[in-house]
Amino acid sequence: KQEVTQIPAALSVPEGENLVLNCSFTDSAIYNLQWFRQDPGKGLTSLLLIQSSQREQTSGRLNASLDKSSGRSTLYIAASQPGDSATYLCAVGTFTNRDDKIIFGKGTRLHILP
Amino acid sequence: EAQVTQNPRYLITVTGKKLTVTCSQNMNHEYMSWYRQDPGLGLRQIYYSMNVEVTDKGDVPEGYKVSRKEKRNFPLILESPSPNQTSLYFCASSPGGLAYYEQYFGPGTRLTVT
Repeated sequence: KQEVTQIPAALSVPEGENLVLNCSFTDSAIYNLQWFRQDPGKGLTSLLLIQSSQREQTSGRLNASLDKSSGRSTLYIAASQPGDSATYLCAVGTFTNRDDKIIFGKGTRLHILP
Repeated sequence: EAQVTQNPRYLITVTGKKLTVTCSQNMNHEYMSWYRQDPGLGLRQIYYSMNVEVTDKGDVPEGYKVSRKEKRNFPLILESPSPNQTSLYFCASSPGGLAYYEQYFGPGTRLTVT
């Protein structure tokens, strides 16, 4: 059974620092991996989608990498800003008994200190 | 603007009183799904729909019903709500299968059942 883990559950860093969020998954047979941002009480916003054939995706100050063989993905945030404070979720697209589905991690709650 | 909308955003109700949470998307997406998000448990899929008149159970379908009579709408029905259904609910849509496409989430509906 596919499990997605995000460590740490919470992280506080000073403004301006570069940081890395980690995501691991137990079954390497995935189709894609997606990183989301969730602000308190709000919906999820997709940040980056990496297909299984890709190694990384970049959008502005965000860079996500994928290593399927080791079951890991990282989300790199450059020059962090207070507006980056949110919960970051990763999710893997996978195929179960009957159809495809997406499995979420529980998220890393990020707080950027001004 | 491309979006997924949910109504109501907040709802407080009593045990046993039937309720419906509406979900609508304007992106002509085929795939729609419902999730609930609970502290410590993350996001769990309730039901999903591959297309009109095609629905199937997710991981936690007990106590919920759905219907997909039109492509754009996917309401979530709680016939007899109970306190354990107090949660934050998200509707999401995708152009196709989850394994290949990005998901777009609604803003969420916070439900409290007393």
